[in-house]
Amino acid sequence: EAGVVQSPRYKIIEKKQPVAFWCNPISGHNTLYWYLQNLGQGPELLIRYENEEAVDDSQLPKDRFSAERLKGVDSTLKIQPAELGDSAVYLCASSLGLAERTDTQYFGPGTRLTVL
Amino acid sequence: AQSVTQLGSHVSVSEGALVLLRCNYSSSVPPYLFWYVQYPNQGLQLLLKYTSAATLVKGINGFEAEFKKSETSFHLTKPSAHMSDAAEYFCAVSEYSSASKIIFGSGTRLSIRP
Repeated sequence: EAGVVQSPRYKIIEKKQPVAFWCNPISGHNTLYWYLQNLGQGPELLIRYENEEAVDDSQLPKDRFSAERLKGVDSTLKIQPAELGDSAVYLCASSLGLAERTDTQYFGPGTRLTVL
Repeated sequence: AQSVTQLGSHVSVSEGALVLLRCNYSSSVPPYLFWYVQYPNQGLQLLLKYTSAATLVKGINGFEAEFKKSETSFHLTKPSAHMSDAAEYFCAVSEYSSASKIIFGSGTRLSIRP
């Protein structure tokens, strides 16, 4: 079974340019997460979707970041305009979204963004 | 608020030696606890998780961790290190009621000396 797919794997842009990241979760996974991972740090949640609904976007910088998950499957995270401090790895994860306590998140390989 | 503290940003051991990566948590409610591994240029992979069943949790690749409530710890161990264990390891915590919101530690980089 295919894992979480992310593209592109690497992206280099100049500051003030827009950029978008795409994520396709594991088939059947209702919950999708976007994380930001700075160098030498653990991932930090940006947004969590339950199907099409963003149920936790409290850490998403809404002035420049936006996300969507149309049809409750794949998702896109956008930054416009990008700033130097946005250079990081953007990770996508998915999980079944069980109400039980044993839900496990599965991570994609990430997109490494470099803003020049 | 929940948090985890990983003691030591970098740990180096010899091949065949014991691996011990330390993690202490803070939680006002019964926690779930996790260890994830990240190899270079890859996403995170779940090693093991504690969800209030047995306090000694066995994971993949020969790793295990023990939940000690009195010490608020969840240290990761492996009896004999292998070169392929070199990676970044993250301890994480979430609320007992939901595994959806995970708070990660800052990570420990494990190096293996030949």
